[in-house]
Amino acid sequence: GAVVSQHPSRVICKSGTSVKIECRSLDFQATTMFWYRQFPKQSLMLMATSNEGSKATYEQGVEKDKFLINHASLTLSTLTVASAHPEDSSFYICSASGQGIPKNIQYFGAGTRLSVL
Amino acid sequence: LAKTTQPISMDSYEGQEVNITCSHNNIATNDYITWYQQFPSQGPRFIIQGYKTKVTNEVASLFIPADRKSSTLSLPRVSLSDTAVYYCLVGGNYGQNFVFGPGTRLSVLP
Repeated sequence: GAVVSQHPSRVICKSGTSVKIECRSLDFQATTMFWYRQFPKQSLMLMATSNEGSKATYEQGVEKDKFLINHASLTLSTLTVASAHPEDSSFYICSASGQGIPKNIQYFGAGTRLSVL
Repeated sequence: LAKTTQPISMDSYEGQEVNITCSHNNIATNDYITWYQQFPSQGPRFIIQGYKTKVTNEVASLFIPADRKSSTLSLPRVSLSDTAVYYCLVGGNYGQNFVFGPGTRLSVLP
């Protein structure tokens, strides 16, 4: 299957700092990327959908100015958590779909665990 | 947007066949049914996808009745390493608004 790389796998930061998470499709062109967050023992919650070269579409209740998404190329999307606070601590997961992949299948990164102190 | 319903949890023993059923009563004509597996602290992994009837790959089988209002993921001869959460998703083009339900937490016991 297609490979999606997510980096870093773990981040620990102080409150007020910004954190950037990268999501790369290694062997296909990701026309669409998705960002999720997941709290312990809960399901994945979609935060936003981004298409290459255009602005991300955010789900209701997700702050655009807090979670900045950039999808500037067909292989890279980034999520920046601006001025992170303890309540932003969570497991963030990206996924991608695109050219050469069946339309309804997403391939996921390994996730990033963010801990804000 | 098709909503899905799955059992919250299931227990099984090593070597048994496990069947997890997902209900999606308002599935749309162009919706596909996709199953993912997730281990703790990892991203979900694609298992299998189908539209109708039966699909089989090296990992699992997916049974979809004619009315497509449900689907059953079948895992043959499970092992301890199959302990995970299994999600059933229903959607159309390019993952539009794919909503993850709570999934089914499968525990395989020795």
